[in-house]
Amino acid sequence: KQEVTQIPAALSVPEGENLVLNCSFTDSAIYNLQWFRQDPGKGLTSLLLIQSSQREQTSGRLNASLDKSSGRSTLYIAASQPGDSATYLCAASRRYSGGGADGLTFGKGTHLIIQP
Amino acid sequence: EPEVTQTPSHQVTQMGQEVILRCVPISNHLYFYWYRQILGQKVEFLVSFYNNEISEKSEIFDDQFSVERPDGSNFTLKIRSTKLEDSAMYFCASSDFDGEAFFGQGTRLTVV
Repeated sequence: KQEVTQIPAALSVPEGENLVLNCSFTDSAIYNLQWFRQDPGKGLTSLLLIQSSQREQTSGRLNASLDKSSGRSTLYIAASQPGDSATYLCAASRRYSGGGADGLTFGKGTHLIIQP
Repeated sequence: EPEVTQTPSHQVTQMGQEVILRCVPISNHLYFYWYRQILGQKVEFLVSFYNNEISEKSEIFDDQFSVERPDGSNFTLKIRSTKLEDSAMYFCASSDFDGEAFFGQGTRLTVV
């Protein structure tokens, strides 16, 4: 059974710093790994998707890497801004036998606060 | 931009009552999911649905739960006899073949 762990659980840094959020998973037979952002009381916003065959993905100030062999992914946030304050969730999926992804297994998230 | 929509945003129900949570997935997506998040806890997978049938379900998804795609656009989650511990935020999601899941804004279910 897949287990996803995120470290740290919470992080508070001044604006402008570069950050690394860590995610580890126990079963390397993943279909893909996805990073989300969740604002309080809101839904999940997809940030980056890394397919199992890929090593990294980039979107703006965000870069996510994937190392299947070690069961790790990192989310790098460059030049952090107060608007980046949110909970960041990592989730891994398996391949469904009929193709596509089966259900995601989530970590507990990293609660990030960027101080102005 | 296409999005997943869920209704209602908040539902209060009495213990033992049936509730139906509704979702309209992104129109060209093939895979549909329900997740829940109890307050302060992690997001948990409930069920996935593909090709008009359940493809996977978790231990949480017992006989009290059912899903349906009654027409070409809606995807519903029914809880037959709600319990206090069913109180949670329920999220619908959909994805295409690449597996990138897009989530709705959720329905907050409160069982009293």
